[in-house]
Amino acid sequence: GAVVSQHPSWVICKSGTSVKIECRSLDFQATTMFWYRQFPKQSLMLMATSNEGSKATYEQGVEKDKFLINHASLTLSTLTVTSAHPEDSSFYICSAETQGQHYEQYFGPGTRLTVT
Amino acid sequence: QKEVEQDPGPLSVPEGAIVSLNCTYSNSAFQYFMWYRQYSRKGPELLMYTYSSGNKEDGRFTAQVDKSSKYISLFIRDSQPSDSATYLCAMSAHSGYALNFGKGTSLLVTP
Repeated sequence: GAVVSQHPSWVICKSGTSVKIECRSLDFQATTMFWYRQFPKQSLMLMATSNEGSKATYEQGVEKDKFLINHASLTLSTLTVTSAHPEDSSFYICSAETQGQHYEQYFGPGTRLTVT
Repeated sequence: QKEVEQDPGPLSVPEGAIVSLNCTYSNSAFQYFMWYRQYSRKGPELLMYTYSSGNKEDGRFTAQVDKSSKYISLFIRDSQPSDSATYLCAMSAHSGYALNFGKGTSLLVTP
């Protein structure tokens, strides 16, 4: 199957700082990538849909100025958490959609963010 | 009513048992159906993908989609302790749209 990577896999930062998370599709091109967050023992919560070369579409309740998404190429999308606060601590996961006849989404391994 | 319903479990079975996991949905436009397996603190792993109705088999896994009943299933044969994980069903109406997830079923396979 297709491979999606995320970097870093975990990060600890101080309150008020910004953190950038990268999502890469390693062996396929992805026009569309998605960003999710997941709290312990809960399902995935969609934050935004990222399309290459255009602005991301954010879900209701997600602050677009706080969670900056850039999808600069067909293999890379980034999520920047600006002015992070402890309540932003979570597991952030990206997914990338394959192109062509079959519509499949592959997920990255996730990034655990802890804001102290 | 949520668009996708999935019993969260937990479901506990002995090693070697056949496991049946199910989801129901309300949106008749859904035509892409997927099952993911997620281990604790890991990203979901795509297990099975089905377009429209029918069955699909891959090793010990079989996915079934019944669009008339709006019901999908995942069967795991000869279950192993390594199958212990959370299983998420997901579906979408169109390519490029975000997936609609079930809450996930926690499965424990005991030796």
